Amino acid sequence: SAVISQKPSRDICQRGTSLTIQCQVDSQVTMMFWYRQQPGQSLTLIATANQGSEATYESGFVIDKFPISRPNLTFSTLTVSNMSPEDSSIYLCSVRTGQGWVETQYFGPGTRLLVL
Amino acid sequence: DAKTTQPNSMESNEEEPVHLPCNHSTISGTDYIHWYRQLPSQGPEYVIHGLTSNVNNRMASLAIAEDRKSSTLILHRATLRDAAVYYCILRDGQAGTALIFGKGTTLSVSS
Repeated sequence: SAVISQKPSRDICQRGTSLTIQCQVDSQVTMMFWYRQQPGQSLTLIATANQGSEATYESGFVIDKFPISRPNLTFSTLTVSNMSPEDSSIYLCSVRTGQGWVETQYFGPGTRLLVL
Repeated sequence: DAKTTQPNSMESNEEEPVHLPCNHSTISGTDYIHWYRQLPSQGPEYVIHGLTSNVNNRMASLAIAEDRKSSTLILHRATLRDAAVYYCILRDGQAGTALIFGKGTTLSVSS
């Protein structure tokens, strides 16, 4: 299993500013993921962040808007840049442990972002 | 990953069994069937998964159709705490990619 914490848990930001979200895991994991959950919607994958390589972004998400760092096997950050009200969402960090049959994804509690 | 189809919402009474259906007619041989749920104001949590045979754990049971084109998550005795959005997700066991979430089923439990 994996226990994930995120900071901040919530924030209110002004448009045009940037916010960096931190994700800390209690064990070393290779694969980490960042998701966005817009109000009343399901989760959408933003990017995959593997330690030692560049993050891989899903269609509709770009590095300039959502830069990601992955400095080691227990930590990652996601920055939401030049924010607009449309960026108001919950941002969730996730990690995958195990392989094959025992492979499982764990999720952090999320960071609730409101952009004014 | 192949797509799944779930009802938007279901209702249940406390202490009654709940059967949450999921259709996945385009499932491939290497796809695992995963169920996650998201309680209010929390991140998703793992519930159960299977490949071909029915599975049981302390949270739920997973019944998989013989042709694997559908599955049912069974909560044996619903509690108020089981009110959540339940996601049925196919994960390619060989691809190593992240889980892709559909819209899920919102389960309401009444006392």
